[in-house]
Amino acid sequence: DAGITQSPRHKVTETGTPVTLRCHQTENHRYMYWYRQDPGHGLRLIHYSYGVKDTDKGEVSDGYSVSRSKTEDFLLTLESATSSQTSVYFCAISEPRSRHNEQFFGPGTRLTVL
Amino acid sequence: GQSLEQPSEVTAVEGAIVQINCTYQTSGFYGLSWYQQHDGGAPTFLSYNALDGLEETGRFSSFLSRSDSYGYLLLQELQMKDSASYFCAVRDNTDKLIFGTGTRLQVFP
Repeated sequence: DAGITQSPRHKVTETGTPVTLRCHQTENHRYMYWYRQDPGHGLRLIHYSYGVKDTDKGEVSDGYSVSRSKTEDFLLTLESATSSQTSVYFCAISEPRSRHNEQFFGPGTRLTVL
Repeated sequence: GQSLEQPSEVTAVEGAIVQINCTYQTSGFYGLSWYQQHDGGAPTFLSYNALDGLEETGRFSSFLSRSDSYGYLLLQELQMKDSASYFCAVRDNTDKLIFGTGTRLQVFP
């Protein structure tokens, strides 16, 4: 299994509070991604990173920011959480131009915003 | 826009064969991937097709027709443990994946 951990695994917070989710990898993979998964929508890309301090927006980036100061860590921040951000968040990693373009996913973080 | 279409649910019995189709319309295409996700778990990679044709990995096979913007995942000798959601995903020219909404497969004894 790829060494990817996410913390926290579960979080309940209130509307308007800031929340930071952490993704940590031990695989030294260059690319990292944050997705959210909601019923009926599959996995949607929030932000991604192609290297340290190299990030870009995905399909559903509004209300989210990210930072990557080290290869192994990719942080996702909800500056002011809203109920619409209640979701399961997955981090993933990959290597550029790998033969199968395989992404390895972390275990997920279930976030509830009340 | 970018869209991937796959059936929302498929049912089958143990030992049977099931095919999950995926049609896509994306601005860039480098390949089609399939991922499996059990309830409460993380998606895991199953297969990848960059070229037309069939790729076989044990009981699972995946097919791609780039001219038809179509692919499928074929699961043979179904087992109860194959009950899960299956996602197709298009790889674009920046190595990002665009996922379909998933097909829930229920295998009955």
